[in-house]
Amino acid sequence: QLVETGGGLVQPGGSLRLSCAASGFTFSSHIMHWVRQAPGKGLEYVSAISSSGHSTYYGNSVKGRFTISRDNLKDTLYLQMGSLRPEDNGIYYCALGDSALEHWGQGTLVTVSS
Amino acid sequence: QIVLTQSPSASASLGASVKLTCTLSSGHSSYAIAWHQYQPQKGPRYLMKVHGDGRHIKGDGIPDRFSGSGSGTERYLTISSLQPDDEADYYCQTWGTGLNVIFGGGTKVTVL
Repeated sequence: QLVETGGGLVQPGGSLRLSCAASGFTFSSHIMHWVRQAPGKGLEYVSAISSSGHSTYYGNSVKGRFTISRDNLKDTLYLQMGSLRPEDNGIYYCALGDSALEHWGQGTLVTVSS
Repeated sequence: QIVLTQSPSASASLGASVKLTCTLSSGHSSYAIAWHQYQPQKGPRYLMKVHGDGRHIKGDGIPDRFSGSGSGTERYLTISSLQPDDEADYYCQTWGTGLNVIFGGGTKVTVL
């Protein structure tokens, strides 16, 4: 099970930290991902982190503003979001998978608005 | 750079079948893909992996009505005996040698 928390309402330019708690998996063995769904749009890939946490990937729209990290002792994935823009609005999902994303969380809603 | 192409929409009558297509960009005919179902109130759900040889491996609890196949650069998802709850967006997804994955644009399925 993957459970995201940390979403909410934030002003443009603000910051937010999302968390994704994993259970029932060997969390430390798998690549973890963040994917978002903006209103009326398709799934957008946001970020990924290797099982060890040493390697990361960011989509172009969030590069330099978001930071992905993980704590393998706590089985938890994080997404630190900064310089938030209205276009970052949406539901943020964490997912687990080394190729196919075989497990998804239920999502947490991020609203960027003044 | 791998690109996945999907038709924006598809529809079929209740109880009928619908076949969705995901096309891999040229030169990537050996790649496997995954199919995911997205419903706004439920979020994404992993359906299956479809390999380059057309084999498919379904996720836990996925009904037999869902099946996958493939040919060349095309990967298919067939939904038989369409139910109202099958109305959703369906995304294909693949992966390369790096960390990131790639999504297609999604197909919205309407059950008539």
